[in-house]
Amino acid sequence: ILNVEQSPQSLHVQEGDSTNFTCSFPSSNFYALHWYRWETAKSPEALFVMTLNGDEKKKGRISATLNTKEGYSYLYIKGSQPEDSATYLCASEGSGKFYFGSGTKLNVKP
Amino acid sequence: GAVVSQHPSRVICKSGTSVKIECRSLDFQATTMFWYRQFPKQSLMLMATSNEGSKATYEQGVEKDKFLINHASLTLSTLTVTSAHPEDSSFYICSAVAGRGNEQFFGPGTRLTVL
Repeated sequence: ILNVEQSPQSLHVQEGDSTNFTCSFPSSNFYALHWYRWETAKSPEALFVMTLNGDEKKKGRISATLNTKEGYSYLYIKGSQPEDSATYLCASEGSGKFYFGSGTKLNVKP
Repeated sequence: GAVVSQHPSRVICKSGTSVKIECRSLDFQATTMFWYRQFPKQSLMLMATSNEGSKATYEQGVEKDKFLINHASLTLSTLTVTSAHPEDSSFYICSAVAGRGNEQFFGPGTRLTVL
């Protein structure tokens, strides 16, 4: 079982603040790193998938980076909005399986 | 986008009964479906990998006779928790992978409470 860690566990920010979270994962047996956004009572929604060291992905105000050599990925949210409030999960994919972190719960206050 | 449904969303049952949870891919064919379990404040833990037409592959520590998985078609996988006990109370969530891709599409999950 791969140990995927996410920090912080929870985060409270004001509307308009920019924020970032960390996902760390073992570098061995690595194929891809996935980020998901999970709103309460809904299905987790895929945000990004990255495979190569140095990959950067962006979708609107949200972006992510990947460092496979040191085993971490950052997710950035610029100018947080209340609708960004959700739990953000990362998962390391290897050998056809997905190993999840416990998530970072983001609360954006208006 | 690809949609995965899961039914029921919530179930409360007595100890000793069996509970079946369905996972359906609504607008695509899923060659592989995954079943996860999540205890409070913990990660999604992979229980088993379900491939259409073949036996499921269970993760270490997951009892295959207790958690029966059937992937009868390319759009349906079921998880049956047999002789449920209070310690089986958890959040169960499935995901489906389309074709040869590695993108997972998740269902909304099932909250199981065993009294």
